[in-house]
Amino acid sequence: DAKTTQPTSMDCAEGRAANLPCNHSTISGNEYVYWYRQIHSQGPQYIIHGLKNNETNEMASLIITEDRKSSTLILPHATLRDTAVYYCIVRVTSAGKLIFGQGTELSVKP
Amino acid sequence: DGGITQSPKYLFRKEGQNVTLSCEQNLNHDAMYWYRQDPGQGLRLIYYSQIVNDFQKGDIAEGYSVSREKKESFPLTVTSAQKNPTAFYLCASMSLTGEDQPQHFGDGTRLSIL
Repeated sequence: DAKTTQPTSMDCAEGRAANLPCNHSTISGNEYVYWYRQIHSQGPQYIIHGLKNNETNEMASLIITEDRKSSTLILPHATLRDTAVYYCIVRVTSAGKLIFGQGTELSVKP
Repeated sequence: DGGITQSPKYLFRKEGQNVTLSCEQNLNHDAMYWYRQDPGQGLRLIYYSQIVNDFQKGDIAEGYSVSREKKESFPLTVTSAQKNPTAFYLCASMSLTGEDQPQHFGDGTRLSIL
């Protein structure tokens, strides 16, 4: 199973872009990268996913490098409510299983 | 609204007791999953089911049991054999239409030992 590596924690000023990196150097050609976030004592919330092209939705943008060994989640205008643990996950497609790492604890500060 | 409902939100277990956590979804999803989360850790997969009347063990299935008698329901039983059951339990579901559908999660059940 492809493993991901993320920084343990990051800070971001309110209103600025938050750029959260993720390394997944062992990713296979048909494995998708998913991003979730978890606010304390709640279930993880799906944010975005991608295979090799950059993706954007109403919550965030996902930039995947050409070699697919790393990606960056971008929250364009971070708010205090974006404070959460962000998980980058490479999914085992055969069963849809998600392998969660420790994630990045993002603190958005006023 | 469509979604995943977990109940109860908080649950207490006595020593030697089995307890059952409920998970219901009205998203018409084929697959359902149970995860366990310990403080400061990521989620670990307990069991999953891709079709009614069938389920597979995840990475930490010992001391747990599940059933999938209906598409919308996937209850998890924490048995007395699970010696360290205190954790946050999360249920998820996913459509199997297409290879990249995301999993959607409930709000969890927090289980504690009395």
